[in-house]
Amino acid sequence: AQSVSQHNHHVILSEAASLELGCNYSYGGTVNLFWYVQYPGQHLQLLLKYFSGDPLVKGIKGFEAEFIKSKFSFNLRKPSVQWSDTAEYFCAVNAEAAGNKLTFGGGTRVLVKP
Amino acid sequence: DVKVTQSSRYLVKRTGEKVFLECVQDMDHENMFWYRQDPGLGLRLIYFSYDVKMKEKGDIPEGYSVSREKKERFSLILESASTNQTSMYLCASSFGLDQETQYFGPGTRLLVL
Repeated sequence: AQSVSQHNHHVILSEAASLELGCNYSYGGTVNLFWYVQYPGQHLQLLLKYFSGDPLVKGIKGFEAEFIKSKFSFNLRKPSVQWSDTAEYFCAVNAEAAGNKLTFGGGTRVLVKP
Repeated sequence: DVKVTQSSRYLVKRTGEKVFLECVQDMDHENMFWYRQDPGLGLRLIYFSYDVKMKEKGDIPEGYSVSREKKERFSLILESASTNQTSMYLCASSFGLDQETQYFGPGTRLLVL
């Protein structure tokens, strides 16, 4: 079983709708958490990351994510999406328990209808 | 700007052929990585390297080998390509491990017939 789970494989929504993508991981101990995004035809790039401090982290393009340690979750949110947010989103976890290798979730394809 | 380049965007090879995928980064990063990306499975780590001539197996190293003779270059080798190695291959680099951002190349889409 995957150690990083993204609940939705595909999400379709209209512009201005709110977006929340779930991510759960199964590692205990110290974790560093990332969301990467891949826009159509572009390289995978970092959206945001968390490794300590305020569990609510803000990233580029109005995205934010909340680390909830008790739930082993790091969900990504955006209050109002734009057509340009159409992309595939990947949650990734770097865990001491996994030898500090980055483990990715299966990805969520988001389609924003204009 | 970090730049990670990969030698080919698309490759078509036949079963049994030896395949070389090249990756070059221009930011003097210590660490380089090879992943394969398959629908629904996300990215899976094949091999990584934390220094010249050093390599570590990732989660799915079977059927692959790597070479890092120079700091900026990391090669992925398929000794004898098989159809189940048809995939998108992504190279990445980072300055450190743990909390460091990985920077990705554009990917090589490999089709093995």
